[in-house]
Amino acid sequence: GENVEQHPSTLSVQEGDSAVIKCTYSDSASNYFPWYKQELGKRPQLIIDIRSNVGEKKDQRIAVTLNKTAKHFSLHITETQPEDSAVYFCAASPGGYQKVTFGIGTKLQVIP
Amino acid sequence: NAGVMQNPRHLVRRRGQEARLRCSPMKGHSHVYWYRQLPEEGLKFMVYLQKENIIDESGMPKERFSAEFPKEGPSILRIQQVVRGDSAAYFCASSPEGLRGGYTFGSGTRLTVV
Repeated sequence: GENVEQHPSTLSVQEGDSAVIKCTYSDSASNYFPWYKQELGKRPQLIIDIRSNVGEKKDQRIAVTLNKTAKHFSLHITETQPEDSAVYFCAASPGGYQKVTFGIGTKLQVIP
Repeated sequence: NAGVMQNPRHLVRRRGQEARLRCSPMKGHSHVYWYRQLPEEGLKFMVYLQKENIIDESGMPKERFSAEFPKEGPSILRIQQVVRGDSAAYFCASSPEGLRGGYTFGSGTRLTVV
């Protein structure tokens, strides 16, 4: 089955700096890569996703990149703000099948 | 649209009791997934269901755990004879066909076994 590795497990940045979280996946059939943000005690919420026919996607301060050859994808948050502090999960889903496999999560702390 | 509804939000059970967790998917979503999250850990897949069918239960422990998604009513995750190690947050998610828009998660049920 699919295996998603995520790093770093924790990340501290100064407010206004950028944060980068990296993930790798094992199943070459995966073609859907969502990212979720989970604030303490709350549900995971989808913040951005990318499909394999696209190499990069941007939404305001958030961008994701995908390298299918290397089987890795990354989340970039620019101009970080304290409210970006949360746990971020990357995930991957194989084509034609809807089960999503999650990474272990990255705890991001933005220091004011 | 009320989103994915899970209840109860918090559930306390004594060792050996049964726990029943309920999940109503978003309107128009026909796929339901259950995930377990232990403290400081990621989301571990348990089971994927469509109406009246279990599609993938590869993440479910072989004993004591079962899930259903009947034709009418919510999806149910049932844990029999709970043990302390079952204490976790259990999240349900739903999606439309083809994962357009990804999963939508419910608020979770936090199970505590005492």
